[in-house]
Amino acid sequence: GENVEQHPSTLSVQEGDSAVIKCTYSDSASNYFPWYKQELGKGPQLIIDIRSNVGEKKDQRIAVTLNKTAKHFSLHITETQPEDSAVYFCAAETGANNLFFGTGTRLTVIP
Amino acid sequence: DTEVTQTPKHLVMGMTNKKSLKCEQHMGHRAMYWYKQKAKKPPELMFVYSYEKLSINESVPSRFSPECPNSSLLNLHLHALQPEDSALYLCASRFEVSTDTQYFGPGTRLTVL
Repeated sequence: GENVEQHPSTLSVQEGDSAVIKCTYSDSASNYFPWYKQELGKGPQLIIDIRSNVGEKKDQRIAVTLNKTAKHFSLHITETQPEDSAVYFCAAETGANNLFFGTGTRLTVIP
Repeated sequence: DTEVTQTPKHLVMGMTNKKSLKCEQHMGHRAMYWYKQKAKKPPELMFVYSYEKLSINESVPSRFSPECPNSSLLNLHLHALQPEDSALYLCASRFEVSTDTQYFGPGTRLTVL
């Protein structure tokens, strides 16, 4: 089955700085890669996603890049704000349409 | 409206109790999911329903029994649970199993005593 690795497990940045979270996947058939933000006591919320036929996607301060050859994808958050503090999960979806999640990154933005 | 609702928000039950979790969406989605999330871990898939039929059961113990009475509603019936079953139970939905965005509900925090 698919195996998704995510790094780092914790990340602290100063407000206004950029944050980068990286994930790798094992199944070359995976074709959909969402990123979820989970705040304490809440369910995961989709923040951005990318399909395997696209190399990069941007939505305001958030961007995702995908390297299919290397089987890795990354989340970039620019101009971080305290409200960006949360746990972020990457995920990969296989042809069976099941999501496999990374282990999560706890992002702390220091005011 | 991209909302998935779950009730109750919190549930405490003994090992001999029978309880149910409820999930509802009114987005016209035909695929619905149950996930289990332990503390500081990612969500783990339990069940998938597609067009009200169970399509995936990820080897979940029979003490968890899912039910999809209609296209908007998903239940998870609980019986004879163990303390290690304590977790956040998340429901999610998407338009169909082959489409992109899965929308998650806020979860039910379950504690088994």
